[in-house]
Amino acid sequence: DAGITQSPRHKVTETGTPVTLRCHQTENHRYMYWYRQDPGHGLRLIHYSYGVKDTDKGEVSDGYSVSRSKTEDFLLTLESATSSQTSVYFCAISESTGLEGSQYFGPGTRLLVL
Amino acid sequence: KQEVTQIPAALSVPEGENLVLNCSFTDSAIYNLQWFRQDPGKGLTSLLLIQSSQREQTSGRLNASLDKSSGRSTLYIAASQPGDSATYLCAVNGISGAGSYQLTFGKGTKLSVIP
Repeated sequence: DAGITQSPRHKVTETGTPVTLRCHQTENHRYMYWYRQDPGHGLRLIHYSYGVKDTDKGEVSDGYSVSRSKTEDFLLTLESATSSQTSVYFCAISESTGLEGSQYFGPGTRLLVL
Repeated sequence: KQEVTQIPAALSVPEGENLVLNCSFTDSAIYNLQWFRQDPGKGLTSLLLIQSSQREQTSGRLNASLDKSSGRSTLYIAASQPGDSATYLCAVNGISGAGSYQLTFGKGTKLSVIP
């Protein structure tokens, strides 16, 4: 299994509070991604990174920001959590852009916003 | 906008049966297609990756085919086992509206293999 960890694995928070999720990899892969998974929607890309300090928006980026100061860490921040952000969040990594290689996923973080 | 559809949404089969899961996509301009497995409460495990120039890939009892021109892929599972019970996800890799590479996922097929 690819060396990807996510923390925390579970979190309950209140509306309006900031939340930061962490993804850590030991594979030294260049590309990192944040997805959310919701019933009826499947997995959707939030943000991705193609290198240290290089990030871009995905399909559902509103309300989220990311940072990548080191190759191994990719942080997802909800500046002011809302109930619509209750979801399961997955981090993924890939060695290439994905043109040739696979994406490998972390175990996920379950977030409940009350 | 790319859309990926997986049919059926759920499937229940007796152990030992061969089965086929279907995936269709609306935009044939893809770079590759990937099949994943997801167990309840777990992350995704990559099963097979098919490049756009390939027709099929095989791994053990799994065989995935790709017909890019018709926008279809199938995942064939031979001699199914109870341990194959999981949700199977199809994802296509193509260029998003913003010009970046992006995986677009189907909603999955939930497979139950009955002993």
